[in-house]
Amino acid sequence: AQSVTQLGSHVSVSEGALVLLRCNYSSSVPPYLFWYVQYPNQGLQLLLKYTTGATLVKGINGFEAEFKKSETSFHLTKPSAHMSDAAEYFCAVSRLTGNQFYFGTGTSLTVIP
Amino acid sequence: DAGVIQSPRHEVTEMGQEVTLRCKPISGHNSLFWYRQTMMRGLELLIYFNNNVPIDDSGMPEDRFSAKMPNASFSTLKIQPSEPRDSAVYFCASSLTGPHEKLFFGSGTQLSVL
Repeated sequence: AQSVTQLGSHVSVSEGALVLLRCNYSSSVPPYLFWYVQYPNQGLQLLLKYTTGATLVKGINGFEAEFKKSETSFHLTKPSAHMSDAAEYFCAVSRLTGNQFYFGTGTSLTVIP
Repeated sequence: DAGVIQSPRHEVTEMGQEVTLRCKPISGHNSLFWYRQTMMRGLELLIYFNNNVPIDDSGMPEDRFSAKMPNASFSTLKIQPSEPRDSAVYFCASSLTGPHEKLFFGSGTQLSVL
């Protein structure tokens, strides 16, 4: 079975501060892990994806995430928040075999000027 | 490429009416997904097609919901009869080969059932 948990449904940071959005997964086999972003009134867009190989994954807009198998985590970070980063962020997990793709419940990021 | 195209963008209907949502996936993509998004339940996968065949429909809420994919370039999600609790944003997404690939989302259909 697979699932994904996002800790914190709302996160607020000051402009220029570090962004840290948490995601933990459970999977019986090595997972594929994703972060998607949803801006208001839009569909989701892929930020980054981990499949195999290097555990630190760089994505668009300066975001990156690190796969930590020992902690079953895939936290999303950005060194310096911009106002344009305000959005809903979703962590997701799937695996190569099987048909399931699970989204977390999402974290709403607010950036304070 | 124009991306995943959904129509209509907004739909307001009365309880009991039939609602049909439409989706055109990205050309060449073999997988298509229908999701529902609400504040209470977040993003829920309703159904997943691969090569026009429904692979997983376990998320379809009940018999009032049905989805079809008559060809590789078109899918519909129908609700009949609609109920107020069906009010949500419905997203269509497509990917090249399956759920482990990058999903490309449409802009969604905002459905309001009065």
